[in-house]
Amino acid sequence: DAGVTQTPRHEVAEKGQTIILKCEPVSGHNDLFWYRQTKIQGLELLSYFRSKSLMEDGGAFKDRFKAEMLNSSFSTLKIQPTEPKDSAVYLCASRRGNTLYFGAGTRLSVL
Amino acid sequence: GDSVTQTEGLVTLTEGLPVMLNCTYQTAYSTFLFWYVQHLNEAPKLLLKSSTDNKRTEHQGFHATLHKSSSSFHLQKSSAQLSDSALYYCALSEGSALGRLHFGAGTQLIVIP
Repeated sequence: DAGVTQTPRHEVAEKGQTIILKCEPVSGHNDLFWYRQTKIQGLELLSYFRSKSLMEDGGAFKDRFKAEMLNSSFSTLKIQPTEPKDSAVYLCASRRGNTLYFGAGTRLSVL
Repeated sequence: GDSVTQTEGLVTLTEGLPVMLNCTYQTAYSTFLFWYVQHLNEAPKLLLKSSTDNKRTEHQGFHATLHKSSSSFHLQKSSAQLSDSALYYCALSEGSALGRLHFGAGTQLIVIP
């Protein structure tokens, strides 16, 4: 079985740019999560979908972060405009039962 | 609201010594607790999970017991190995096993020879 696939693995952006991160969940999983990972804050929830419906949009992240689930097998996270403080690893995860399966993440650097 | 606290950001141990990583939580709802482990340059993956009070759960040499009386779910291992060096996250599922997950800040475990 294929795991969660995230692309790209690395992204470098200039401040003010728009970037789109992609995620393909494990086939058949109904729940999909986007997290931001930093050493200081740990894992912060950005968005949470259940059966393609947005259940949570991440509160403080709403203004520049927008996640979409176009179909059950593909999701995107758009950051617009990027700021240097957005530099982090962005993790996508899908859930089967009560277990999360994470992708390897996208490391974003904003200059 | 629900939250998870991991008091140690970094734990450094000598190989062979016991491991204990602390996790406490606050919740008003049903309690499902998890430990996830992330090795360097890898994705986090589930290590342990529990929803049963005072029942020890074990996997890959690690164990944890959910104690609802003290709101704790500490991760333990009797003897640390070099390969245990990783980032460990404690997490709480809100409301049910399929609820929103709250993660702690994580504990970096470094095991030295």
